[in-house]
Amino acid sequence: DVKVTQSSRYLVKRTGEKVFLECVQDMDHENMFWYRQDPGLGLRLIYFSYDVKMKEKGDIPEGYSVSREKKERFSLILESASTNQTSMYLCASSLSARVSQPQHFGDGTRLSIL
Amino acid sequence: GDSVTQMEGPVTLSEEAFLTINCTYTATGYPSLFWYVQYPGEGLQLLLKATKADDKGSNKGFEATYRKETTSFHLEKGSVQVSDSAVYFCALSDRGNAGKSTFGDGTTLTVKP
Repeated sequence: DVKVTQSSRYLVKRTGEKVFLECVQDMDHENMFWYRQDPGLGLRLIYFSYDVKMKEKGDIPEGYSVSREKKERFSLILESASTNQTSMYLCASSLSARVSQPQHFGDGTRLSIL
Repeated sequence: GDSVTQMEGPVTLSEEAFLTINCTYTATGYPSLFWYVQYPGEGLQLLLKATKADDKGSNKGFEATYRKETTSFHLEKGSVQVSDSAVYFCALSDRGNAGKSTFGDGTTLTVKP
């Protein structure tokens, strides 16, 4: 069965820290995505990647960067965490950019920046 | 660009009531349509999908029909249970959009015993 694993369910960090959120998928999917989910704002795409070392900005990339050194792993980096980045972060993957396929989601990381 | 508009919530129903959550979309191409469900404390999981006009997706008693003429994909269930309480997201994926999906804002359903 499809599995997307996010490294932490809950994380507490301080403002100014560099924060890494890790995501691993075991399905050999080409596409991987990072979203943040906030009450009343739905899902907002931060970054996505359609291949190793490839990345594209989503709707709200400011304050974030990503890394995809291996096909199965997609990392989200908060360069200098701020309180307005407190949120639920969801990682997802899908088969390919060439077909319209559903996304498979991890269970999320609830990040608090103090 | 693509967009998805779904019925605002929250929706509160009694057990065994009929459920409809409306979803309409705009897309430049010929998208695939999806409903996802998110239970408390979890990520989204695919509930059902339809890939072309007049397709009906179904799963766990939920159904939705891809209506190209009305650009709609309404979610229905004949008899809801307390365990159906969750947030429901309508989404589309357009082949010309690099595999990205466009999501609605989500509708929170609460089912009371």
